[in-house]
Amino acid sequence: DTGVSQNPRHKITKRGQNVTFRCDPISEHNRLYWYRQTLGQGPEFLTYFQNEAQLEKSRLLSDRFSAERPKGSFSTLEIQRTEQGDSAMYLCASSLARTSGTDTQYFGPGTRLTVL
Amino acid sequence: GDSVTQMEGPVTLSEEAFLTINCTYTATGYPSLFWYVQYPGEGLQLLLKATKADDKGSNKGFEATYRKETTSFHLEKGSVQVSDSAVYFCALTEPNTGNQFYFGTGTSLTVIP
Repeated sequence: DTGVSQNPRHKITKRGQNVTFRCDPISEHNRLYWYRQTLGQGPEFLTYFQNEAQLEKSRLLSDRFSAERPKGSFSTLEIQRTEQGDSAMYLCASSLARTSGTDTQYFGPGTRLTVL
Repeated sequence: GDSVTQMEGPVTLSEEAFLTINCTYTATGYPSLFWYVQYPGEGLQLLLKATKADDKGSNKGFEATYRKETTSFHLEKGSVQVSDSAVYFCALTEPNTGNQFYFGTGTSLTVIP
């Protein structure tokens, strides 16, 4: 078990460019989550998938953001026309859905985005 | 809506001191409560959890008890070490909110020898 991995670890881009991040969850996990964390704050939920279906999106997720999980394994998060306010750490987490109660989410190391 | 409030940091303690980091929550149903830790340069790691009232989560000498009457989940450790220096996040999740986590703002702990 290699844990949740994210690539790239760091991304520097110019305002207006598009960026794409990748998350590879723990292999048997069927749920995958994206969060955004800014300096001095806790992570904020963006969206989550169960298998390939995107089940929930936060109001934080503007129409410039899109996420996919085409085969129910890895996921990508794309930000179009980046703005300086998009600078943050983007975290991915995965979990194994339980029939009752709540699951425990396991987090990746994050992708740090800097928009110049 | 659901939310978590953590005590403000940063916290600086001497090695072997007693640690308490306060966490209170607001939830509409019956949440599960978690403490995550983030060491410098690393991702969030689950430290401990409790899924129902009066449960006590424990790991690596850290403990937290789910108190429904005070809506709290305070983190404690009897004797901190330099290696405990990290940022600690309290979080909750509820099945009826899509299992998304609500995190506190984090409390930075520095332990000095």
